[in-house]
Amino acid sequence: SSELTQDPAVSVALGQTVRITCQGDSLRSYYASWYQQKPGQAPVLVIYGKNNRPSGIPDRFSGSSSGNTASLTITGAQAEDEADYYCNSRDSSGNHQAVFGGGTKLTVL
Amino acid sequence: QVQLQESGPGLVKPSGTLSLTCAVSGGSISSSNWWSWVRQPPGKGLEWIGEIYHSGSTNYNPSLKSRVTISVDKSKNQFSLKLSSVTAADTAVYYCARAAATSLGYYYYYYMDVWGKGTTVTVSS
Repeated sequence: SSELTQDPAVSVALGQTVRITCQGDSLRSYYASWYQQKPGQAPVLVIYGKNNRPSGIPDRFSGSSSGNTASLTITGAQAEDEADYYCNSRDSSGNHQAVFGGGTKLTVL
Repeated sequence: QVQLQESGPGLVKPSGTLSLTCAVSGGSISSSNWWSWVRQPPGKGLEWIGEIYHSGSTNYNPSLKSRVTISVDKSKNQFSLKLSSVTAADTAVYYCARAAATSLGYYYYYYMDVWGKGTTVTVSS
């Protein structure tokens, strides 16, 4: 299957921890990558691989994976973390197509 | 530091062909990366369109495959997108991105680490 499923919306209190999940069959073979997108801006890669952060991404962002579910965790959420978050991987069926999850709108209260 | 810049018409007529180019600067398009196109309709999520390797090998979204052509011009260090028979549903912000695909043991990695700023394309008469 080439689908990745995310919860449409999640909220977190300022300074608390939040987990955003992504489910899909391809995640049994592929690590998910995670992107943050703020209004009017291009997506920004925040997590890739097992748990890798590109340069400049705060260490409050972390990733994990278990079975067909990948998670993005923000430990100590900040107001500036309010954004849409998308997971992404390639399809594992061998057709090499890539797919994005539907996105999760994170609100920091 | 690699940078990507999309360019092309912002308005395309229905049934016409959408044509965009992504210029790569600060690095070579012949590096070990896939060069991708992603779009985002107004108020909606990201949709992967397709990708190309410098060898010319391509992968396309099955839902768009019949209308999409992605090509690479190594001499100009750029790659391009053509989407034919467009309708209003193709109105979106179009992004180009650099993707890496590799493996580590049993698991595979796939991620897009560099993105262009995006260009808005409207399909309207």
